[in-house]
Amino acid sequence: DQQVKQNSPSLSVQEGRISILNCDYTNSMFDYFLWYKKYPAEGPTFLISISSIKDKNEDGRFTVFLNKSAKHLSLHIVPSQPGDSAVYFCAASAQGGSEKLVFGKGMKLTVNP
Amino acid sequence: DADVTQTPRNRITKTGKRIMLECSQTKGHDRMYWYRQDPGLGLRLIYYSFDVKDINKGEISDGYSVSRQAQAKFSLSLESAIPNQTALYFCATSTGLLLGHEQFFGPGTRLTVL
Repeated sequence: DQQVKQNSPSLSVQEGRISILNCDYTNSMFDYFLWYKKYPAEGPTFLISISSIKDKNEDGRFTVFLNKSAKHLSLHIVPSQPGDSAVYFCAASAQGGSEKLVFGKGMKLTVNP
Repeated sequence: DADVTQTPRNRITKTGKRIMLECSQTKGHDRMYWYRQDPGLGLRLIYYSFDVKDINKGEISDGYSVSRQAQAKFSLSLESAIPNQTALYFCATSTGLLLGHEQFFGPGTRLTVL
């Protein structure tokens, strides 16, 4: 059973517009959520994270929103740039566990010039 | 210079062969992980190690084994490779001190089993 779900496999947006990437989770023990970005032929790189005690975390053009009651988080990229084109993974971890990250399947974002 | 390196970057092998994938890190992290990525399945944890004497199975450990030779080195072995082990393999590290357990990934090894 998938605990972290990224239900949309791809998203295409125009440069300068907002990109919204969604992620749902089922395990109520998750208390920290991370977004990773992956370019072809490279390993995933950490992008931004959020603790379950917050509902928003912002870092430059990237903002992550967490809705605990809905078990839903989203990554907003504003404005989107062609260099943002990559696969984005949502991941979650549970405190006190084995510090394992549980990843979603990923979502391919394409930002068109 | 890369903090987490993986060798080889690409490998083609035949069914039944023994294969070893190696991971080295210069980040000084205690914790190391092996994942595989398959199209449409995201990243799945194979094995992880919190220190040299600690080895733990992940979500999909069957058919794999690992060795933590030193703090900086963590190897993944396929004792008898099979075609469904064709995938992209990633090594990752973490300190265990960062809130949320942020992990740092190597560039990956693309393994093809014929």
